[in-house]
Amino acid sequence: NAGVTQTPKFQVLKTGQSMTLQCAQDMNHNSMYWYRQDPGMGLRLIYYSASEGTTDKGEVPNGYNVSRLNKREFSLRLESAAPSQTSVYFCASSAQTGGTGELFFGEGSRLTVL
Amino acid sequence: KQEVTQIPAALSVPEGENLVLNCSFTDSAIYNLQWFRQDPGKGLTSLLLIQSSQREQTSGRLNASLDKSSGRSTLYIAASQPGDSATYLCAVSGNNRLAFGKGNQVVVIP
Repeated sequence: NAGVTQTPKFQVLKTGQSMTLQCAQDMNHNSMYWYRQDPGMGLRLIYYSASEGTTDKGEVPNGYNVSRLNKREFSLRLESAAPSQTSVYFCASSAQTGGTGELFFGEGSRLTVL
Repeated sequence: KQEVTQIPAALSVPEGENLVLNCSFTDSAIYNLQWFRQDPGKGLTSLLLIQSSQREQTSGRLNASLDKSSGRSTLYIAASQPGDSATYLCAVSGNNRLAFGKGNQVVVIP
């Protein structure tokens, strides 16, 4: 019953450091998403992947890169972390594309950039 | 651009009362609407998904209705329990995008 698994759960970085958030799903879903959640801002889409080998920008892509490694895995990379990237990051997946199917979320990765 | 509103941001109810949570959206051309629950420090858990052709969905004590013409959905939780304390978010799907509301933070008082 793993569903969507994110690692790490917590991370503290210094400004300018880089890191990769990992996400894997075991539901054979086509679509995968990365969101960030900030107080007062709600959930905002960073990047998504409609299928293996494709990625597209969401609402707030600046400062991030993604890789859809295979159907199961979708990683989010911060090349040079900034304090504005302090947030809770959620990975999600869906069987359908275009935001039309039921969405399943991971537990989140809490990132602090000092 | 689809705008999704959930008011009030926070509410408290005594245990046993029925909970009614509202979600409003600006563009009625939607594909579906989902209700999620989020516990503190946790991810979002899908509660109910209503397709645009449906008027309501039910699961146990939960019932969600959809009125596309008025741009509204209501989540109804019968006989609330302290374990229902959480934040409830709605998300509207349309035009290849999913738009989230900011949620209703609910506290059920024993």
